[in-house]
Amino acid sequence: TQLLEQSPQFLSIQEGENLTVYCNSSSVFSSLQWYRQEPGEGPVLLVTVVTGGEVKKLKRLTFQFGDARKDSSLHITAAQPGDTGLYLCAGEVIQGAQKLVFGQGTRLTINP
Amino acid sequence: DAGVIQSPRHEVTEMGQEVTLRCKPISGHNSLFWYRQTMMRGLELLIYFNNNVPIDDSGMPEDRFSAKMPNASFSTLKIQPSEPRDSAVYFCASRYDREVTEAFFGQGTRLTVV
Repeated sequence: TQLLEQSPQFLSIQEGENLTVYCNSSSVFSSLQWYRQEPGEGPVLLVTVVTGGEVKKLKRLTFQFGDARKDSSLHITAAQPGDTGLYLCAGEVIQGAQKLVFGQGTRLTINP
Repeated sequence: DAGVIQSPRHEVTEMGQEVTLRCKPISGHNSLFWYRQTMMRGLELLIYFNNNVPIDDSGMPEDRFSAKMPNASFSTLKIQPSEPRDSAVYFCASRYDREVTEAFFGQGTRLTVV
């Protein structure tokens, strides 16, 4: 059973369109991170959200942490081919050890 | 710092053989994670060390898998005996465990068991 469910798992859209990726769980997280992974490389951190309801912007990317700290979303405005990649959400598990668990990822393709 | 260093980058082995994957975390980091990534299951946490001590190994699939961290600058993940279903990319990540911090990943080891 996946602790973090990402949707959609695959998304292919045209350049200039907007999109939203969702990361959902029944568990509460102390923080949530979004990573991006390129082929042949490890994931690289994009952003960390800590407070319920928090919104962070990174150029055309907007990240939101749910009020109950169980879910998050990533919105990309006017997608560009350079946004193509695997996007992963990762939650910091509260109980016991501070381990970082990942969703399955959203494979995003932006077509020129 | 050169980042998290994993070796080998690629490993092809026959079923039944022992495989050892190696990781050198970033100097000063006190937490180390081993993950396995496949298309079907995504990025699964196998085991997590804090200050060289295994804290949570609930993700280790079975007794064929073992991990050690003899010191702060080195960790190994061993599979013995290996099976074709172990084929995946194995990542090591490290971070400094205070409040909320970024996990830095190595480039991974692509393991193929034939």
